[in-house]
Amino acid sequence: QKEVEQNSGPLSVPEGAIASLNCTYSDRVSQSFFWYRQYSGKSPELIMSIYSNGDKEDGRFTAQLNKASQYVSLLIRDSQPSDSATYLCAVKRTGGSYIPTFGRGTSLIVHP
Amino acid sequence: EAGVAQSPRYKIIEKRQSVAFWCNPISGHATLYWYQQILGQGPKLLIQFQNNGVVDDSQLPKDRFSAERLKGVDSTLKIQPAKLEDSAVYLCASSLGLAGRTDTQYFGPGTRLTVL
Repeated sequence: QKEVEQNSGPLSVPEGAIASLNCTYSDRVSQSFFWYRQYSGKSPELIMSIYSNGDKEDGRFTAQLNKASQYVSLLIRDSQPSDSATYLCAVKRTGGSYIPTFGRGTSLIVHP
Repeated sequence: EAGVAQSPRYKIIEKRQSVAFWCNPISGHATLYWYQQILGQGPKLLIQFQNNGVVDDSQLPKDRFSAERLKGVDSTLKIQPAKLEDSAVYLCASSLGLAGRTDTQYFGPGTRLTVL
């Protein structure tokens, strides 16, 4: 059973549109949620972290967390071709060691 | 501030050979992670160190993989003998090791391993 699920995509959106990326997780006691961006051939880089239910905004990015539904999403407003990358959702469980678990990522393509 | 350093960046070996990867974390980071990322998949945690102690190695194939972090700084990951399915990018990450949920990981550039 996969612990963190993401649609592999690709998700294709036009430049200037809102891109919506979704992630579900199975462990109800997960506490920390992260979105990473990974360009092809590069390592992941952290975009957003979120810990509490609701929305968290940072520039063009908004992370949304719903623990009751075990769902976390990332919205990218005014999408740019430079946003084209794979977006990885990561979840940290409780239990003392805070082991991180990644989803397989969603490929986003922003076309001009 | 220097980032996480890894070497080599690329390695090609034949199956049944051995290989070693090196990682130097960000200065002052107590926690070090090794991940395996197979093409098209997310990173899979192999082992996590807190200083020079192992926090979790439940997904490390211990019959062929080994890792150490001497003196709580640099770390090496070894594969012996390698199999075709070990072809992947091996990512090292580090974090301050803060208690609680706000500990942020920073990734190195990775080592791309191809096993022929």
